[in-house]
Amino acid sequence: GENVEQHPSTLSVQEGDSAVIKCTYSDSASNYFPWYKQELGKRPQLIIDIRSNVGEKKDQRIAVTLNKTAKHFSLHITETQPEDSAVYFCAASWGYGKLTFGQGTILTVHP
Amino acid sequence: DVKVTQSSRYLVKRTGEKVFLECVQDMDHENMFWYRQDPGLGLRLIYFSYDVKMKEKGDIPEGYSVSREKKERFSLILESASTNQTSMYLCASSPELMLAGDTDTQYFGPGTRLTVL
Repeated sequence: GENVEQHPSTLSVQEGDSAVIKCTYSDSASNYFPWYKQELGKRPQLIIDIRSNVGEKKDQRIAVTLNKTAKHFSLHITETQPEDSAVYFCAASWGYGKLTFGQGTILTVHP
Repeated sequence: DVKVTQSSRYLVKRTGEKVFLECVQDMDHENMFWYRQDPGLGLRLIYFSYDVKMKEKGDIPEGYSVSREKKERFSLILESASTNQTSMYLCASSPELMLAGDTDTQYFGPGTRLTVL
């Protein structure tokens, strides 16, 4: 299977600052890397994803970068807002249709 | 809009009871998944089904079984609940994959918080 490590486990920033969460994976065959946001008491929701034929993808204030050689990918959130506070999970694909998730990062944005 | 629903948001059971957790999706998705979520461990795959009556073990299948009699419904069964199965259980679904080794977006249900006393 796949092994995914996510860091940091907690991240505290001031409103307006940038936040970066990093993940590494072990299976070089992985080709799909989604990021999910889970607000307190709610279901995980996909916020951005990237496939292995792309190095970077951006959607407004969030971006994901992928380095296949080093087997790591990162989530970047710029101009953070209090509503960005949540748990963020990275994941990497393996086998047929399966995902292995990182341990999660609790992001707190202070007003 | 994809909708994945789970039968209960909260459930309290006794050790040794048989527990059924149900998940229904309304988007005609082929693939369905059961995860458990524990603090500091992320989401761990219990079982995966890629078609009716087809199932595959995930990373932590011990103590669990599944049933998929209809395409839209995927059930997780705890044959004899134990206290270490107290957790948040999340169901997810994704559409049919076109290629071997492919993966697509998974859509999650709201979760069932199971407490085993």
